[in-house]
Amino acid sequence: GNSVTQMEGPVTLSEEAFLTINCTYTATGYPSLFWYVQYPGEGLQLLLKATKADDKGSNKGFEATYRKETTSFHLEKGSVQVSDSAVYFCALSDRDGNKLVFGAGTILRVKS
Amino acid sequence: GAVVSQHPSRVICKSGTSVKIECRSLDFQATTMFWYRQFPKQSLMLMATSNEGSKATYEQGVEKDKFLINHASLTLSTLTVTSAHPEDSSFYICSAIRTETQYFGPGTRLLVL
Repeated sequence: GNSVTQMEGPVTLSEEAFLTINCTYTATGYPSLFWYVQYPGEGLQLLLKATKADDKGSNKGFEATYRKETTSFHLEKGSVQVSDSAVYFCALSDRDGNKLVFGAGTILRVKS
Repeated sequence: GAVVSQHPSRVICKSGTSVKIECRSLDFQATTMFWYRQFPKQSLMLMATSNEGSKATYEQGVEKDKFLINHASLTLSTLTVTSAHPEDSSFYICSAIRTETQYFGPGTRLLVL
């Protein structure tokens, strides 16, 4: 079945540091890939997505590229801020049912 | 952007009572909505797929008689936790699909005493 594996957290960074959160997936066919962010006390928000190989999703300074050859969708940001502290979820969906399969989530803590 | 709301945001109830949670798509119509459950510091677990005008599809291990889902209109799905017990305490999140992307509600925290 489909699955998503994320790097374990928590990830603790200083403000303005470079961020990478690894995400790899296992899927049949050609899934769409997503990053969702959950700020403390809030629901999930779509951060970015990519629907086919080599697509790059980007939003709020975050980027992720759909790499079919390595089945990866790593999240990156060049300079993190304290306000980026949240839990980040990598997810995939199959095209038929749009069901999302989530990774375990990675806690990011950014210190000033 | 696509907005999904949930009501209530928090609810505390006594063991044995039933609780209804509403999920609404505010600015779009959604034929399909999803219900998730999230335990503390864990990922989301899909409970069921709610289809407008038809019966919900439940994931393996989810009791359909325990978690009643009704999707009576294109903008509203409800989850009723029947005869709630303390182990049902959790964060319940719904989502709705718009243009192949799921948009999530803010979640409902249920505490059963």
